[in-house]
Amino acid sequence: DSGVTQTPKHLITATGQRVTLRCSPRSGDLSVYWYQQSLDQGLQFLIQYYNGEERAKGNILERFSAQQFPDLHSELNLSSLELGDSALYFCASTQGIGGPYNEQFFGPGTRLTVL
Amino acid sequence: AQSVTQPDIHITVSEGASLELRCNYSYGATPYLFWYVQSPGQGLQLLLKYFSGDTLVQGIKGFEAEFKRSQSSFNLRKPSVHWSDAAEYFCAVGALGSNTGKLIFGQGTTLQVKP
Repeated sequence: DSGVTQTPKHLITATGQRVTLRCSPRSGDLSVYWYQQSLDQGLQFLIQYYNGEERAKGNILERFSAQQFPDLHSELNLSSLELGDSALYFCASTQGIGGPYNEQFFGPGTRLTVL
Repeated sequence: AQSVTQPDIHITVSEGASLELRCNYSYGATPYLFWYVQSPGQGLQLLLKYFSGDTLVQGIKGFEAEFKRSQSSFNLRKPSVHWSDAAEYFCAVGALGSNTGKLIFGQGTTLQVKP
């Protein structure tokens, strides 16, 4: 158990809908990362937040947005869902602002299925 | 652009046999390199990492990896595989010029262990 929790574990929805994925980082960790794992794209970095502020952005679609709240949990919002958004979404956390020296601890993921 | 290539999508080895998983990276400077393991239904767990210094690094669960700059490789090895090692393995590199911790992952190698 990494100490990172993600809810829900599974999510099934229809095209055009909007969903929210939630992540609680390990106690004391200030940085949260979101990754998408799909069959065709592999594991891709989406976005990072540090202490409530956006820190880095990857291949995140405009239909997707994220935020980190004062209690440090983070939410990833996916809207106007398409079939291709079906994937496993991981959250990871680190203690510091980031940088490769800080080990990222991954949550178990949320599996999103868009029908 | 930075990239990570894992040439083997799927590898099958017998229990007790040795294992080598290949990873090649494309990077302009000294890379930060990682190996992660993903067991079914689990998040990613860090096996080992390389930043600098000794090119042979030891990790958890009896794994080691060797950094070879001349070959742009960071192959993962284990002398004797156990059935519990069956999982998916990801090689990753820390993003160039980044102090954000953003990771770029390879496509992954699925390891199957025969009894």
